[in-house]
Amino acid sequence: DSGVTQTPKHLITATGQRVTLRCSPRSGDLSVYWYQQSLDQGLQFLIQYYNGEERAKGNILERFSAQQFPDLHSELNLSSLELGDSALYFCASSVGTSGRAVETQYFGPGTRLLVL
Amino acid sequence: DQQVKQNSPSLSVQEGRISILNCDYTNSMFDYFLWYKKYPAEGPTFLISISSIKDKNEDGRFTVFLNKSAKHLSLHIVPSQPGDSAVYFCAAGSYSGNTPLVFGKGTRLSVIA
Repeated sequence: DSGVTQTPKHLITATGQRVTLRCSPRSGDLSVYWYQQSLDQGLQFLIQYYNGEERAKGNILERFSAQQFPDLHSELNLSSLELGDSALYFCASSVGTSGRAVETQYFGPGTRLLVL
Repeated sequence: DQQVKQNSPSLSVQEGRISILNCDYTNSMFDYFLWYKKYPAEGPTFLISISSIKDKNEDGRFTVFLNKSAKHLSLHIVPSQPGDSAVYFCAAGSYSGNTPLVFGKGTRLSVIA
């Protein structure tokens, strides 16, 4: 158990809908990262937050947004969903030394999203 | 443009033998490398890391070797056990560039009893 929790575990929705994925980092970790893993793809970095502020952005679509709250949990919002958004979404956290992006990250179990 | 490549999608090894998983990278700014292991229906688990100031790091049965001139790293597992069967991801990042980790597509290791 990494100490990172994600809810829900599974999500089935329809095209055009909007969903919110939630992540609670390990106790004390300040940095949160979001990744997408599609079929046969590696982990694609989406976005990083450090202590409530956006720190780094990857290949995140404009339809997707995220935020980190004062209690350090984070939410990833996916809107106008398309079939191709079906994937595993992982959250990871790290200590967050000065907001550094390169640190050992600890991953949650993921949310499997299926868009029908 | 894949900056981190794991060219073998899968690997099968006999129990007790050595497993060698390979990873190549193209970005010379990368100076920190990690290996993660992933079981089905779970998130990736951190295994071992190495910074570019070293060429080898060992942790129990797991050793990571880094060849900076070849931009290549490998993970050795000795001896391999059935419980090592998983997907292994290589990741790389840059302290100086402060860019997020870039992950390879993974290699599925099967250890056969």
